[in-house]
Amino acid sequence: GESVGLHLPTLSVQEGDNSIINCAYSNSASDYFIWYKQESGKGPQFIIDIRSNMDKRQGQRVTVLLNKTVKHLSLQIAATQPGDSAVYFCAVHTGGFKTIFGAGTRLFVKA
Amino acid sequence: NAGVTQTPKFQVLKTGQSMTLQCAQDMNHNSMYWYRQDPGMGLRLIYYSASEGTTDKGEVPNGYNVSRLNKREFSLRLESAAPSQTSVYFCASIPWGGGENTEAFFGQGTRLTVV
Repeated sequence: GESVGLHLPTLSVQEGDNSIINCAYSNSASDYFIWYKQESGKGPQFIIDIRSNMDKRQGQRVTVLLNKTVKHLSLQIAATQPGDSAVYFCAVHTGGFKTIFGAGTRLFVKA
Repeated sequence: NAGVTQTPKFQVLKTGQSMTLQCAQDMNHNSMYWYRQDPGMGLRLIYYSASEGTTDKGEVPNGYNVSRLNKREFSLRLESAAPSQTSVYFCASIPWGGGENTEAFFGQGTRLTVV
């Protein structure tokens, strides 16, 4: 079945540095990938998405990179701010209506 | 617009009790989902409803039932609660139907404790 993994459960970065959060997936038929941010006590919120026909997509301070060859995607946050502290999930869609979430990476931003 | 609204926000049940978690969305989305989130784990899909009138099992459906009452509402029922069902439950909706944007919109969650 589908599985989605994250390389690091916790990431600590200095304010102003760039953050990179990684995610591996197993199903080569996956066609849509989403990053969500979850702040304490809240539901996940959409950050950025990418489709399988792309390898890079940029948003405001965030970039998602997709490497289909090794089934890996990453979320890059530029100039990390204290407000970026949260748990970040990658989610993978593989046809149909199911979206599978990874375990999450907790990002700590040190002032 | 309220988005996705879940009730209740908190609930404590005794083992064997039943309850229904309510979810409503006002975005006219076709698909609705129930996830559970346990500590140290990602969101696991319990059940989903691709459209009004249909429901399907997700990754962890045992011990749960769902009802897609209408396009707006999708409820999750625990018939006989067990301590293993202690978790935070999230409802989500997705537009689907084509187009660029298929992100999920989540409710605030229901924190359920079964003692």
